Amino acid sequence: GAVVSQHPSWVICKSGTSVKIECRSLDFQATTMFWYRQFPKQSLMLMATSNEGSKATYEQGVEKDKFLINHASLTLSTLTVTSAHPEDSSFYICSATGTSGRSYNEQFFGPGTRLTVL
Amino acid sequence: QQPVQSPQAVILREGEDAVINCSSSKALYSVHWYRQKHGEAPVFLMILLKGGEQKGHEKISASFNEKKQQSSLYLTASQLSYSGTYFCGVKGSQGGKLIFGQGTELSVKP
Repeated sequence: GAVVSQHPSWVICKSGTSVKIECRSLDFQATTMFWYRQFPKQSLMLMATSNEGSKATYEQGVEKDKFLINHASLTLSTLTVTSAHPEDSSFYICSATGTSGRSYNEQFFGPGTRLTVL
Repeated sequence: QQPVQSPQAVILREGEDAVINCSSSKALYSVHWYRQKHGEAPVFLMILLKGGEQKGHEKISASFNEKKQQSSLYLTASQLSYSGTYFCGVKGSQGGKLIFGQGTELSVKP
C-alpha cells in the first residue's frame, strides 16, 4: 500500500516551453503533497507544499509563477514548469501524506521525473 | 532549517559497520531515514517518532534522542547493496514539512 506514481519519468524539452509533471497517490488519499527538486550530488530541496483544494505554499526562493502547482483532488497533484530554461534541468520528486494508517506519519515518495531543458 | 549529517562520506569494506548521524537545531517530531541510489528516487528505510525510540530492520537500525534532537543510523555487517547516499529527513510537527539533511555517501567495497 501507499504507492505514489509520477508521470513522465523523464522529459526533454526546448528552452521556453512548459512542462507538466503529474503525481498520483494510487491507494490512499493524499491530503498533502510535496514537491522536491534535486540537483546532481545535492540533497532534496523542498519547493512547495500543497493541500487538496488550497493554494500551494512555496518555499523561500521558489518562484510561484514559474512553478505552478495544482492539487485539485485527493489523488492528483501537478507541477508545471513554465518557460523552462536549462537551469531548470533537475530531478523533480513528489511525495504525499494522508490522514490514516502509515500515511499519517510517513511521507511516500514518487519515483521522480528527470527534466532536461535544451 | 536543514539538519546536519555526519560524516559526509564513508568508505567501508564488506562486513564492516558504520554510523551516520543527523542533528537538528530545532525540536523534532519525527526523523525519517532514506537511501538513494544514483539516478533513482529515495527509498524509505524507517521512521522514528519522538519518544526516544530505537528501531531495527535486519542489519540496519536507528535511534532517536528527542532531548538532543539527534538521530543515528547504524549499519552493521555492511553489504555491497548498502552503497548509496543516505538522507535523514526531519519534521517539527506531525503535519509539518520534511526537511532533508545534505546526505552521507556510503561506499561499500568488496
